[in-house]
Amino acid sequence: ETGVTQSPTHLIKTRGQQVTLRCSSQSGHNTVSWYQQALGQGPQFIFQYYREEENGRGNFPPRFSGLQFPNYSSELNVNALELDDSALYLCASSLNVNTGELFFGEGSRLTVL
Amino acid sequence: KNEVEQSPQNLTAQEGEFITINCSYSVGISALHWLQQHPGGGIVSLFMLSSGKKKHGRLIATINIQEKHSSLHITASHPRDSAVYICAARKQGAQKLVFGQGTRLTINP
Repeated sequence: ETGVTQSPTHLIKTRGQQVTLRCSSQSGHNTVSWYQQALGQGPQFIFQYYREEENGRGNFPPRFSGLQFPNYSSELNVNALELDDSALYLCASSLNVNTGELFFGEGSRLTVL
Repeated sequence: KNEVEQSPQNLTAQEGEFITINCSYSVGISALHWLQQHPGGGIVSLFMLSSGKKKHGRLIATINIQEKHSSLHITASHPRDSAVYICAARKQGAQKLVFGQGTRLTINP
């Protein structure tokens, strides 16, 4: 039990649609990061938010966007879904932006048809 | 070549054996994480290291900054240790976490 919850756990979308995934972090954790994990591969860093501002981004196009809220929750939004967006999306929160231990949620598994 | 490489990719052992998983990285880092992922996807953080050695129960993690290498050891392995073990490096001066491809460990009774 990491204290980080994600919703929904599973969802199916069609190509071109938009999706919003949610993450609720531990109280006091002002840093949240999002990752995409394709089947059989390691996670890929999408972006990180610190105190409601994006402060780091991986090699993902602008149609991947996020928000972080004052209540330690956050969202990952993906527009114009493509088949290759099918993956497990993980969020992780930490107390310290640079050196803190990571607490992962269970992930949201997205299937794009 | 990936910035973070793990070996072996797959490892099968008998219960009770001593396990070593290796991680090499080619970039300057501020910290290195060892993570455990069970089937179904959930990831648990095992260790975060910036130098030296850490121990938690039967798990030991070491890091050699000069050689850019880290190891995860499991003593007295048990079938419940079966999982994918992932190392992830936080690049110096950046927020980006770079992951290895994972090591799939299977411990047979």
